[in-house]
Amino acid sequence: EIVLTQSPATLSLSPGERATLSCRASQSVSSYLAWYQQKPGQAPRLLIYDVSNRATGIPARFSGSGSGTDFTLTISSLEPEDFAVYYCLQRSNWPLTFGGGTKVEIK
Amino acid sequence: EVQLVESGGGLVQPGGSLRLSCAVSGFTLSDYEMIWVRQAPGKGLEWVSYITGGGRTMYYADSVKGRFTLSRDNAQNSLYLQMSSLRAEDTAVYYCARGLRKLDYWGQGTLVTVSS
Repeated sequence: EIVLTQSPATLSLSPGERATLSCRASQSVSSYLAWYQQKPGQAPRLLIYDVSNRATGIPARFSGSGSGTDFTLTISSLEPEDFAVYYCLQRSNWPLTFGGGTKVEIK
Repeated sequence: EVQLVESGGGLVQPGGSLRLSCAVSGFTLSDYEMIWVRQAPGKGLEWVSYITGGGRTMYYADSVKGRFTLSRDNAQNSLYLQMSSLRAEDTAVYYCARGLRKLDYWGQGTLVTVSS
């Protein structure tokens, strides 16, 4: 099973600041990595798929990068609605696995 | 408009069974792979099961293998998760989601509570 480790667990930032979230895989997942955002009481929402492709309707301030085992989700300038929990997901191997999540909170 | 609506959750005793449904609209179910994901209270996301568009191939997380069975009725535009031998650790909100490469639509979730 591929283990995805997200860091940091919590990121305390102010609106307008840049957020950099990390997802590290225990073995290569090639480019089969996606990012999801989840707000309290809501279902997850797709942000990025295949490392760097923004989903429909996702603002350009969200970007993804990386390859192999190290991936990054960057939010260039945090908006109030971006404070949430973010998960990475790999589909390279079964079972599908999610990272433990990074909570982006208001500082 | 694409919609996924889960139902069938509730309170069940340990060892009991429950059948979750995911009714979809706005797209042709047979054109898409589908998955179930769950989230225990206050915890992260956990993949549960996957089914191909034609319904011939399914995969399950080890934690539910042999206890959960996924099926689909493309004519009824519905996905089903039959859960048996339920345990306390199966307590979670269960979501169905469309796709695999990109889980672009999710249902609102249905809560399953396993407790005596």
